[in-house]
Amino acid sequence: TQLLEQSPQFLSIQEGENLTVYCNSSSVFSSLQWYRQEPGEGPVLLVTVVTGGEVKKLKRLTFQFGDARKDSSLHITAAQPGDTGLYLCAGARDNYGQNFVFGPGTRLSVLP
Amino acid sequence: DAGVIQSPRHEVTEMGQEVTLRCKPISGHDYLFWYRQTMMRGLELLIYFNNNVPIDDSGMPEDRFSAKMPNASFSTLKIQPSEPRDSAVYFCASSLGAQPQHFGDGTRLSIL
Repeated sequence: TQLLEQSPQFLSIQEGENLTVYCNSSSVFSSLQWYRQEPGEGPVLLVTVVTGGEVKKLKRLTFQFGDARKDSSLHITAAQPGDTGLYLCAGARDNYGQNFVFGPGTRLSVLP
Repeated sequence: DAGVIQSPRHEVTEMGQEVTLRCKPISGHDYLFWYRQTMMRGLELLIYFNNNVPIDDSGMPEDRFSAKMPNASFSTLKIQPSEPRDSAVYFCASSLGAQPQHFGDGTRLSIL
């Protein structure tokens, strides 16, 4: 079983639509990261959230960490084709690098 | 600034051959991680180093895999002998702190 679950697994939408993807766990995390990975490249870190209830915004992307620090969401407003990619969440269960795990990812396709 | 540099980008070799993957981390980073990515299992941590010292190699699949970091600017991941099930994309990442921040573009390994 995955320590981190992500949903949906696949998402295909039209340019201009809004979307939310989710990252869930039964475990508490000291911090949670979101990455975007494009074909043929490595994951690129988008954001780190550390406080329960924290909300961070990065242009059209809004990241939220759940109050209990077990889940997170990523909301994209007015999606663009350049947002296409694999969105990965990853969590650390302590501050020392142990038990840092990746979710399976949500593969997003934004059609022009 | 140069990011994490991996070589080769692609490697195709026959079963039983030795494979060596190379990584140059970002200068000044104190953590280096090796990951493997497959469609079935996603991103898996193989091993990570702190200040050139291996900290956790519990993700290394078996004795055929070994990793070294002889100095702060270079690391290798070696597979000997290689098997078809080792086919995957192997990523190196480096960071300041215990969560991976910067990934290389990976080595796509195919074992025939």
